[in-house]
Amino acid sequence: DTAVSQTPKYLVTQMGNDKSIKCEQNLGHDTMYWYKQDSKKFLKIMFSYNNKELIINETVPNRFSPKSPDKAHLNLHINSLELGDSAVYFCASSPSAVPFGYGYTFGSGTRLTVV
Amino acid sequence: KNQVEQSPQSLIILEGKNCTLQCNYTVSPFSNLRWYKQDTGRGPVSLTIMTFSENTKSNGRYTATLDADTKQSSLHITASQLSDSASYICVVSAMNTGFQKLVFGTGTRLLVSP
Repeated sequence: DTAVSQTPKYLVTQMGNDKSIKCEQNLGHDTMYWYKQDSKKFLKIMFSYNNKELIINETVPNRFSPKSPDKAHLNLHINSLELGDSAVYFCASSPSAVPFGYGYTFGSGTRLTVV
Repeated sequence: KNQVEQSPQSLIILEGKNCTLQCNYTVSPFSNLRWYKQDTGRGPVSLTIMTFSENTKSNGRYTATLDADTKQSSLHITASQLSDSASYICVVSAMNTGFQKLVFGTGTRLLVSP
């Protein structure tokens, strides 16, 4: 199936731990994103990579570090997890430099719960 | 400040009825506007995408309108079905030095009741 896939789908962990969320797309897109959806269902961009290069880095604690080994993968590593990090994290991808945004595809999300 | 506001925040309608969701935005420079449907526990799925010159676009029972002068959009759902129960998110794209910046609304939660 052509898609944006994230793992794991659910993640429950204790405060202070370090965890990673993986994302892979087989759509041939050049640009990948990480979004955070809070309890009010508001989606906010965190990072964007175009061809393995960071192009958007919103105001996010430096405990969050994205890594893109190749243009089909964008992983999110989170150090020293805090209660406020609990949210649903969505990976997305799109063709690069597409002014009208066709082909913007979201993954199904990773629900992170920090206890 | 780039913002997207949606109304109502939540809506309950009976199966088979029509409904209209509203989106007002202050995003510049405007590139396009999209409506997404997000089922519970799933990622958003695109319903329509509209550029500056498009006033209306349909996708099955979903019809989106765009008034670029008043910076308003609406999503009309005809003959609602139980499967339409979801959050509907309006997203406006601004072009920023060659890359898109998406500004998300907080969504309208629709519940279609039998």
